[in-house]
Amino acid sequence: QVQLVQSGAEVKKPGASVKVSCKASGYTFISYQIHWVRQAPGQGLEWMGIINPSGGSTSYAQKFQGRVTMTRETPTSTVYMELSSLRSEDTAVYYCAREAVATGVFDCWGQGTLVTVSS
Amino acid sequence: DIQMTQSPSSLSASVGDRVTVTCRASQTISSSLNWYQHKPGKAPKLLIYATSSLRSGVPSRFSGSGSGTDFTLTISSLQPEDFATYCCQQSYSVPYTFGQGTKLEIK
Repeated sequence: QVQLVQSGAEVKKPGASVKVSCKASGYTFISYQIHWVRQAPGQGLEWMGIINPSGGSTSYAQKFQGRVTMTRETPTSTVYMELSSLRSEDTAVYYCAREAVATGVFDCWGQGTLVTVSS
Repeated sequence: DIQMTQSPSSLSASVGDRVTVTCRASQTISSSLNWYQHKPGKAPKLLIYATSSLRSGVPSRFSGSGSGTDFTLTISSLQPEDFATYCCQQSYSVPYTFGQGTKLEIK
């Protein structure tokens, strides 16, 4: 079955970087774009950006431009989201989500990765 | 960016009740509106896409309607497993944006 499995929880200090992985299975990896969405405590879901696993092209929300990098590793069907210059406001659960082809609809989500930024 | 506003932010209801959640977009999004169910510690689940299309496997007590800027999610008869947070999302234009969520609690 279609599945996205994310890496485990992370605790980081302010100013550090974090890299979260999202391993896809059960479908053709390069055929579906992957988005990253986060949810800070008590807040709604926030879209961070998108990566096309086929060619590796990306598009990021303006809020995260310059701090976020999304990459993919085709042989392992894994996408990565790296966020740098972490601050306490980046404490959140980070999700990867698969987009149903060309619809903007997220039909499968990873289980989430809690990133805690604390000194 | 398109702003999505959900109401109410929380709702208390009983098993068997009919409930409606509203989502309003800051500009027209045609029918590009999707609904997700989110339970604590779990991944969000797609319920309805393109305003009113029920995802395969989702119970028929869930339905969606609307167009343009105003949309609704209706649960016709609440079941115990339906108590969760419901979130709308516009897929009309990037950046895709979400409503703040409606937490459905047991009365």
